[in-house]
Amino acid sequence: SQKIEQNSEALNIQEGKTATLTCNYTNYSPAYLQWYRQDPGRGPVFLLLIRENEKEKRKERLKVTFDTTLKQSLFHITASQPADSATYLCALEDDSWGKFQFGAGTQVVVTP
Amino acid sequence: GAVVSQHPSWVICKSGTSVKIECRSLDFQATTMFWYRQFPKQSLMLMATSNEGSKATYEQGVEKDKFLINHASLTLSTLTVTSAHPEDSSFYICSAKTGRHPEAFFGQGTRLTVV
Repeated sequence: SQKIEQNSEALNIQEGKTATLTCNYTNYSPAYLQWYRQDPGRGPVFLLLIRENEKEKRKERLKVTFDTTLKQSLFHITASQPADSATYLCALEDDSWGKFQFGAGTQVVVTP
Repeated sequence: GAVVSQHPSWVICKSGTSVKIECRSLDFQATTMFWYRQFPKQSLMLMATSNEGSKATYEQGVEKDKFLINHASLTLSTLTVTSAHPEDSSFYICSAKTGRHPEAFFGQGTRLTVV
């Protein structure tokens, strides 16, 4: 199975700045990688999916990159807002059953 | 978008009793459902994978007799924590996949407290 690493330290950022989160994995490159948002006491919410043949994916203020050579994905929140404060999880599909492996997540705190 | 409803959102039970948690896909048929457990400030730990009409596949270290999973239909899966103990207290989350899309849709989670 994969070992997935995300920054364990919380990312504190000022409103309006860009937050950049990192997701590194160790083994095989998955067909796609996903990012989820989780608020305290809630289940994760799907944000973005990027396929192995895609370098970059955007959705509104969110941008994801996927470098299969570096085995890394970067997740950017541009023009961050306090409402973006949450924990962000990256996930890789583990096998043909569709099982996911999740990183531990990085907490983002956006201050006004 | 696809909606997964999990019920109850929180439950307190006495040691030794059993608790059932329901997970329903409201507007799609879920070919596969997953059950996770999450401890504070930790990631989701997959407990088991269930497909409609077949036995659940449990992850290593998860007691199948303690965590009973039933996936009776394409829209409903249940997790029953049997003979609950305080160490079973945790946040339990279900998710569902359609088979047509790679992303998973999660329920709201259930906070279980065993006293």
